[in-house]
Amino acid sequence: GAVVSQHPSRVICKSGTSVKIECRSLDFQATTMFWYRQFPKQSLMLMATSNEGSKATYEQGVEKDKFLINHASLTLSTLTVTSAHPEDSSFYICSARGASSASYEQYFGPGTRLTVT
Amino acid sequence: RKEVEQDPGPFNVPEGATVAFNCTYSNSASQSFFWYRQDCRKEPKLLMSVYSSGNEDGRFTAQLNRASQYISLLIRDSKLSDSATYLCAVDDYKLSFGAGTTVTVRA
Repeated sequence: GAVVSQHPSRVICKSGTSVKIECRSLDFQATTMFWYRQFPKQSLMLMATSNEGSKATYEQGVEKDKFLINHASLTLSTLTVTSAHPEDSSFYICSARGASSASYEQYFGPGTRLTVT
Repeated sequence: RKEVEQDPGPFNVPEGATVAFNCTYSNSASQSFFWYRQDCRKEPKLLMSVYSSGNEDGRFTAQLNRASQYISLLIRDSKLSDSATYLCAVDDYKLSFGAGTTVTVRA
């Protein structure tokens, strides 16, 4: 199957700083990338959908100015958590889908565990 | 009401047992349903799609009940390696996940 990588896998940062998470599709062109967040014992919650070259579409309740998403190429999307606070500590997972894939064929990255102190 | 709801469990079963659990969804127009497996601190991995007629993949059987708006997953002859959290997902142009059902298979 297709491979999606995320970097870093784990990050600890201080409150008020910004953190950038990268999501890369390694062997296919990802026209659409999704960013999810998962708190302990909760479901994956879709934060935003991004299509290459266009602005991301954010889900209701997700602050676009706080969670900056860039999808500048067909293999890379980044999520920047700006002015992070302890409540932003979570497991962030990206997934990617190719142009010819069915809507459910999303390939997930291994996730990034963010801890804000 | 949440879009997708699951019994969180945990289901604690001995090796070789059969375990089954459901997932309810709120949108009666939903067409595509899936089961994912998520191991602790890992990303979800697609286990199987759920077809209208029900489908089987080895020891795993998935079924869809449109009238009652739920899908089910049954695991036969449980193995220790089946211990995981099982997420159901509904695809309404985006994937909506349940919170997961935790299954622990003990020796």
